[in-house]
Amino acid sequence: DQQVKQNSPSLSVQEGRISILNCDYTNSMFDYFLWYKKYPAEGPTFLISISSIKDKNEDGRFTVFLNKSAKHLSLHIVPSQPGDSAVYFCAASAHTDKLIFGTGTRLQVFP
Amino acid sequence: DAGVIQSPRHEVTEMGQEVTLRCKPISGHDYLFWYRQTMMRGLELLIYFNNNVPIDDSGMPEDRFSAKMPNASFSTLKIQPSEPRDSAVYFCASSKERAYNEQFFGPGTRLTVL
Repeated sequence: DQQVKQNSPSLSVQEGRISILNCDYTNSMFDYFLWYKKYPAEGPTFLISISSIKDKNEDGRFTVFLNKSAKHLSLHIVPSQPGDSAVYFCAASAHTDKLIFGTGTRLQVFP
Repeated sequence: DAGVIQSPRHEVTEMGQEVTLRCKPISGHDYLFWYRQTMMRGLELLIYFNNNVPIDDSGMPEDRFSAKMPNASFSTLKIQPSEPRDSAVYFCASSKERAYNEQFFGPGTRLTVL
């Protein structure tokens, strides 16, 4: 049973526009969430995280929003750049255990 | 630091053969993780170690898979015998202090079982 779901396998966005990547989770015990970015032939790299005590965390062009009642988080990239083209994984943790990753969303930013 | 090192980067083998994947974590990291990436299941945790001790192996698909961490700087994931459905990219990652902390991933090993 997939506890962390990324229902959009791919997303295509024009350069300069906003990219919104979504993630849903089922386990109400999750209280720490992370986004990772993965380029081809490389391992995932950490991008941004958020604790359940917050509903928003911002780092430059990247903002993560958390809606605990809906068990939903999203990653906003503004403005999108061609170098953002990658696979994005969301991950969740119950803070005392391992990370559970989603299936990933492939983002393509075109000129 | 060189980051997490994995070898080999690519492995092609025939069904029934033994496969051994290797990982060197970042020095000073307490946790080591083995993941498998597939299209269907995304990044799937197989097993993780804390201070060289296996903590959770519930993700290991079956008895054909085994993992060891004989010391703080080396771990192996072994598949014996290998099957075509084991074909995937296998990642090793390490982190410091807590399992949910930011994990640093190696470049992965692409395994193809014919």
